[in-house]
Amino acid sequence: GAVVSQHPSWVICKSGTSVKIECRSLDFQATTMFWYRQFPKQSLMLMATSNEGSKATYEQGVEKDKFLINHASLTLSTLTVTSAHPEDSSFYICSGRGRGQYEQYFGPGTRLTVT
Amino acid sequence: AQTVTQSQPEMSVQEAETVTLSCTYDTSESDYYLFWYKQPPSRQMILVIRQEAYKQQNATENRFSVNFQKAAKSFSLKISDSQLGDAAMYFCAYRRTRSNDMRFGAGTRLTVKP
Repeated sequence: GAVVSQHPSWVICKSGTSVKIECRSLDFQATTMFWYRQFPKQSLMLMATSNEGSKATYEQGVEKDKFLINHASLTLSTLTVTSAHPEDSSFYICSGRGRGQYEQYFGPGTRLTVT
Repeated sequence: AQTVTQSQPEMSVQEAETVTLSCTYDTSESDYYLFWYKQPPSRQMILVIRQEAYKQQNATENRFSVNFQKAAKSFSLKISDSQLGDAAMYFCAYRRTRSNDMRFGAGTRLTVKP
């Protein structure tokens, strides 16, 4: 299957700072990117969906000013957690899907710890 | 709203035996996809198998097969000849055709005993 990478795999930041997570589709053009959040021993919760060149669509309850998503190209999407707080500590997973594809390809995830 | 229910938080199976993981979903749509994903300790989500709702034939991928009952809105995963490497969290997922919205169940943790 296609490959999606995420960087960094693990990041620790101080409360009040911002952190950016990159998601890249390495061997396909991801016209749609998805960002999920996963708490320990829980399922994946969709945060937002973005189409290349368009603004992201956020799920209910997700603060768009706090979780900034940019999908500037067909191979790169970024999630910026602004003014991070300890409750933002979680595992963040991105996923990409190409035009006309029914399968989503997932990145390996990024563990964010806010101290 | 579409919901996906996995009623088994944990399951265990003896190596080489067969295990079935349950999944039910709720939808008013007739055209959709169903998926089973595996999440090992590495946390990398891996697609195990998919099923298109319009297909009556159950999907199979080597040791993995599904029992898709559209009327009952049931989509169970059968793992035959279980291997130690099958130990993982398994998530059932639903996506309406021509939609970006994939919904996941709560997951089932599968343990494989040697």
